[in-house]
Amino acid sequence: DVVLTQTPVSLTVTPGEPASISCRSSQSLFDSDDAYTYLDWYLQKPGQSPQLLIYTLSNRASGVPDRFNGSGSGTDFTLKISRVEPEDIGLYYCMQRLKYPITFGGGTKVEMK
Amino acid sequence: QITLKESGPALVKPTQTLTLTCTFSGFSLSDDGAVGWIRQPPGKPLEWLALIYWDDDKRYTTSLKTRLTITKDTSKNQAVLIMTDMDPVDTATYYCAHSGGLGSYAFDVWGRGTRVTVSS
Repeated sequence: DVVLTQTPVSLTVTPGEPASISCRSSQSLFDSDDAYTYLDWYLQKPGQSPQLLIYTLSNRASGVPDRFNGSGSGTDFTLKISRVEPEDIGLYYCMQRLKYPITFGGGTKVEMK
Repeated sequence: QITLKESGPALVKPTQTLTLTCTFSGFSLSDDGAVGWIRQPPGKPLEWLALIYWDDDKRYTTSLKTRLTITKDTSKNQAVLIMTDMDPVDTATYYCAHSGGLGSYAFDVWGRGTRVTVSS
């Protein structure tokens, strides 16, 4: 199975400041057949279901503010928040769907300072 | 607008079989997309369980493959997950999610989840 390792496990951020979460995969998530990288990012706000933020490496889901950006290649990926807002607190997960079984990272808890 | 809602027992006994139903609207599983099941034990990360595509292709997580069955009923707009031989470690919130929008198979819409406790 593909193992996704997220760092840091927790992150305390100051409103208005940038934040970055890393996701490292045990295998490349690049599909050479179609040139897509099958890595998604989800945010689970306190008491809520997860919501899709970024799909296929760098595409923002509908309604996601442009302060969220996904990047990376091969086995190393990053979610960057350019200016953190109070509503961005919660658990962030990366997920790969290149290979079955689909797997999630262990999560990064983002809290506000 | 796509919506999904999970339903099932809140409490099951060890060794019993759990049946969860995902009732959805806003799309049809007869011609496009997929529905997945994901769970989250208390205080733990998300764990993908199973996925069923519109063409009835089914996929399961490796560790639970022998215990899981996913089916769909397109006439009722439902996807059903059956998990046998329940154990207290299976206590979790179980989510169903739509996959196949946005031209990709990310989980773009999630249900609110249903909490299942396994206890005698």
